[in-house]
Amino acid sequence: DAKTTQPPSMDCAEGRAANLPCNHSTISGNEYVYWYRQIHSQGPQYIIHGLKNNETNEMASLIITEDRKSSTLILPHATLRDTAVYYCIVRDINAGNMLTFGGGTRLMVKP
Amino acid sequence: GAVVSQHPSWVICKSGTSVKIECRSLDFQATTMFWYRQFPKQSLMLMATSNEGSKATYEQGVEKDKFLINHASLTLSTLTVTSAHPEDSSFYICSARDRGRAGELFFGEGSRLTVL
Repeated sequence: DAKTTQPPSMDCAEGRAANLPCNHSTISGNEYVYWYRQIHSQGPQYIIHGLKNNETNEMASLIITEDRKSSTLILPHATLRDTAVYYCIVRDINAGNMLTFGGGTRLMVKP
Repeated sequence: GAVVSQHPSWVICKSGTSVKIECRSLDFQATTMFWYRQFPKQSLMLMATSNEGSKATYEQGVEKDKFLINHASLTLSTLTVTSAHPEDSSFYICSARDRGRAGELFFGEGSRLTVL
């Protein structure tokens, strides 16, 4: 799986949008971009994934650049409960392999 | 959504004893389960891949005789930490691949092991 680069930490004001960037410049054509988050002392929680089109669900939006070398996870109205470590992972969905976690971004939502 | 359950969620044991952690997929069949370990303030590290009905595949540096993995059915995998020592204290997390939904992976809540 391709390596990803994320800032180690970010702050966001409660109620504002949180934009979490991720670089994956070596992504291959059949690799998807996945986002998971881990709240303290819990297992990772799936957020969203995409291949090349932008995606939106009830939790977040995923914006993938046209060249697919980077993406941004957007939490439109961050709450205190969104404080967590967010992991961006690229993965070949058809390979059936595991998820390889990098360092992630520790998002702190502040009142 | 799919649910993966781990048990126990936390356990404290004495050094030298063995501890078994269960990982169950509650509403789907999981042909493959993955076991991760996470130390404080660190990311998840893959320990082994468990395939139903066959031997687990261990990552480099993970002792297969110390971390016994059994995946006897499509809904249950177990990790047994044998002769546990304080350095085995960690957060153990399993992940299950849903056979019916290509590529989807779901995580358990994690099991915190403390070895005294």
